[in-house]
Amino acid sequence: RKEVEQDPGPFNVPEGATVAFNCTYSNSASQSFFWYRQDCRKEPKLLMSVYSSGNEDGRFTAQLNRASQYISLLIRDSKLSDSATYLCVVNRVNRDDKIIFGKGTRLHILP
Amino acid sequence: GAGVSQSPSNKVTEKGKDVELRCDPISGHTALYWYRQSLGQGLEFLIYFQGNSAPDKSGLPSDRFSAERTGGSVSTLTIQRTQQEDSAVYLCASSLVGWRADTQYFGPGTRLTVL
Repeated sequence: RKEVEQDPGPFNVPEGATVAFNCTYSNSASQSFFWYRQDCRKEPKLLMSVYSSGNEDGRFTAQLNRASQYISLLIRDSKLSDSATYLCVVNRVNRDDKIIFGKGTRLHILP
Repeated sequence: GAGVSQSPSNKVTEKGKDVELRCDPISGHTALYWYRQSLGQGLEFLIYFQGNSAPDKSGLPSDRFSAERTGGSVSTLTIQRTQQEDSAVYLCASSLVGWRADTQYFGPGTRLTVL
């Protein structure tokens, strides 16, 4: 099983709709979780951290499910500008304590 | 303030040549990372510098790849005897402290094309 897995998509969603995608991780001891956003031919940028209690930032909600070992990202009232690749990032707590990036989920918001 | 900068933004080279890629991290950031990203692929970790500690080189794909960080600031990634499979975008990131819960700030990347 891969350490961090994401559905590559693409998710094609009409503007204004709600979209959600998950990311699963294999190391139950992982402690830190993030969502990064990467626009086409641009560098990744932090979208939001994911806290145990879940967190919300405007139209974006991130949640952590430790029992099932996945994190989720929900986008409400999607905008054309939300079109991007969303990278799931998980801290791997082992002897080498490393951050692992998922391959990303591509989202296309359709007008 | 200034973000992470990388140079050159694009580099085209011939197979077998050596290349040097430069990264200027955010001032005051102690941690610096190199990744590469091939077209349509995820980020591949290459190397990690944290303060004065020995770098984590576990991601370097071969001994043709090396990196150094001078004075705890600027970093150079060197690829010797480039191969076509080295073609990718090389991304540098820095963070205030290091792994775990620390936000990584990425530079715009260097797009390397090996002919």
